[in-house]
Amino acid sequence: DIQMTQSPSSLSASVGDRVTITCRASQGISNYLAWFQQKPGKAPKSLIYAASSLQSGVPSKFSGSGSGTDFTLTISSLQPEDFATYYCQQYNSYPHSFGQGTKLEIK
Amino acid sequence: EVQLVQSGAEVKKPGATVKISCKVSGYTFTDYYIHWVQQAPGKGLEWMGLVDPENGETIYAEEFQGRVTITADTSSDTAYMEVSSLRFEDTALYLCATAPGPTNYAYDFWGQGTMVTVSS
Repeated sequence: DIQMTQSPSSLSASVGDRVTITCRASQGISNYLAWFQQKPGKAPKSLIYAASSLQSGVPSKFSGSGSGTDFTLTISSLQPEDFATYYCQQYNSYPHSFGQGTKLEIK
Repeated sequence: EVQLVQSGAEVKKPGATVKISCKVSGYTFTDYYIHWVQQAPGKGLEWMGLVDPENGETIYAEEFQGRVTITADTSSDTAYMEVSSLRFEDTALYLCATAPGPTNYAYDFWGQGTMVTVSS
């Protein structure tokens, strides 16, 4: 099974900041990597697929990069609604697996 | 507009069975696979398995194989996920999500989640 490791586990930032979250796969997954945003008590929202493609309706402040084993999610110009938990997920092979999450909090 | 609407919260005793539904609208039910994901309280996301509504074929994560059954009813455009022999550790939010293919296809839409509480 492929293990997904995110860092950091938590992150404090201010409105207007730019932040980067990293995700590492235990083996190569090409670009079969997605990012999700989840707010408390809500279902995840799909942000990015294929490592760098934005889902429909997702603002361009979100961007993703990477291939193989190392990936990043960058969020620019943080707004209050961006403070949430972010997960990466590999869908290269079964079982699909998620990172442990990065909780983005307001400083 | 694509929507996945899940059934309401459940409270079950240990050893019981729970069956959760995920009704889809806004697209052709058989065009998308349905995945199920578990999220224990305060924990991350864990993939449970999927169903191809076109032919009913399923794939399960090893951890859930044997105790979880995922099905799809094309007459009602609804997917189901059943967990038997419930344990306290099955207390979790269960989520369905769609993808246009099996593996190598990202999830695009999610249901709102169904909370299952296992309590004596």
